[in-house]
Amino acid sequence: DTGVSQNPRHKITKRGQNVTFRCDPISEHNRLYWYRQTLGQGPEFLTYFQNEAQLEKSRLLSDRFSAERPKGSFSTLEIQRTEQGDSAMYLCASSLVRGATDTQYFGPGTRLTVL
Amino acid sequence: KQEVTQIPAALSVPEGENLVLNCSFTDSAIYNLQWFRQDPGKGLTSLLLIQSSQREQTSGRLNASLDKSSGRSTLYIAASQPGDSATYLCAVKQPAGGTSYGKLTFGQGTILTVHP
Repeated sequence: DTGVSQNPRHKITKRGQNVTFRCDPISEHNRLYWYRQTLGQGPEFLTYFQNEAQLEKSRLLSDRFSAERPKGSFSTLEIQRTEQGDSAMYLCASSLVRGATDTQYFGPGTRLTVL
Repeated sequence: KQEVTQIPAALSVPEGENLVLNCSFTDSAIYNLQWFRQDPGKGLTSLLLIQSSQREQTSGRLNASLDKSSGRSTLYIAASQPGDSATYLCAVKQPAGGTSYGKLTFGQGTILTVHP
């Protein structure tokens, strides 16, 4: 068990470009969450998947954002036409829903800087 | 809408001191509350998780308490060490869709510095 991994760890892009991040959850974890964290703030929920189904999306997730988890394993988060306000740390977490527990394990994050 | 607030925003203490971090939340209908540690530029590490039916949890020098009815939790760190320096975040989980599983709502964190 290598934990949740995210790639890339850092991404610098110019305003207007598209970026894609990848999250590989812990093996066999059926839930996958995306959060966004700006400097000095706690993480904010963006969206989550149960297997391959996207079950909830935050209002923070504008139409420029899209997330997928095509085979119920890894997930991608794409941001189109990036804006400077998109600069943040994007965190992924996974969990195994078992009984009454759903403990989320976080990855190291992808830090996005939009110039 | 659930809101989570952490006080103080920053705390600096000498090594060896006992300290308390505070977390409050506006909606008491939570499933559990979790305390995390975050080192600069890193992801989150779970420290303690308290179910809504529990009053406290302990792990080593850490003790977290929960008073759900008043919407408060505290994280007590005993005999602080420089290695404890980090940002401490509390997060609450609320039931979603009739299940006990759902997103976490985080506070903004307390930045702790323990100096030798």
